[in-house]
Amino acid sequence: GAGVSQSPSNKVTEKGKDVELRCDPISGHTALYWYRQSLGQGLEFLIYFQGNSAPDKSGLPSDRFSAERTGGSVSTLTIQRTQQEDSAVYLCASSRTGTSVYNEQFFGPGTRLTVL
Amino acid sequence: AQRVTQPEKLLSVFKGAPVELKCNYSYSGSPELFWYVQYSRQRLQLLLRHISRESIKGFTADLNKGETSFHLKKPFAQEEDSAMYYCALSGGSGNTPLVFGKGTRLSVIA
Repeated sequence: GAGVSQSPSNKVTEKGKDVELRCDPISGHTALYWYRQSLGQGLEFLIYFQGNSAPDKSGLPSDRFSAERTGGSVSTLTIQRTQQEDSAVYLCASSRTGTSVYNEQFFGPGTRLTVL
Repeated sequence: AQRVTQPEKLLSVFKGAPVELKCNYSYSGSPELFWYVQYSRQRLQLLLRHISRESIKGFTADLNKGETSFHLKKPFAQEEDSAMYYCALSGGSGNTPLVFGKGTRLSVIA
């Protein structure tokens, strides 16, 4: 079956521009997560959606970052006024029901963002 | 605060040699620990979780609460084990995402 998909796979933008990254979770998965993978920093949690609950935004690094999830499925991560330090691979993951340890998180291939 | 530490950025071993990837954690409650793996040009995937007490691809990991460690071990490394390995922690409360270590790149030399 189809896994988590993300688009675009690569994005090169100029400093100061806005970007939108898209994530399509596995059908039926109610939980969706965004992580950022920076060189030497491992994976950092950004934001988490669970069903119709208010998202957990505690990992967003600044107010330039925002995300939404429409219809409980597709999610878009938006970065406004991009900075060079935003360059990273942005990973999306989904799981069946929240973050129970019995529910595996399935990851997408990531979007590599380069800010010039 | 939740924290996962993987002290080695890179670990190189010869094929057939034992492997141990170290992971230490900091968490005030009873955490759940995982190992994720990312092979070259593939997406991140779950390798094993401590609650399952399983052996996957010859790898095992034992949670040592006294030493707050969850080291990943394999008695005989294979070339196909070369990959990036991430240790991760969940608070287990049902509403916290995973906290990852910075990862260890394992290189198995033929």
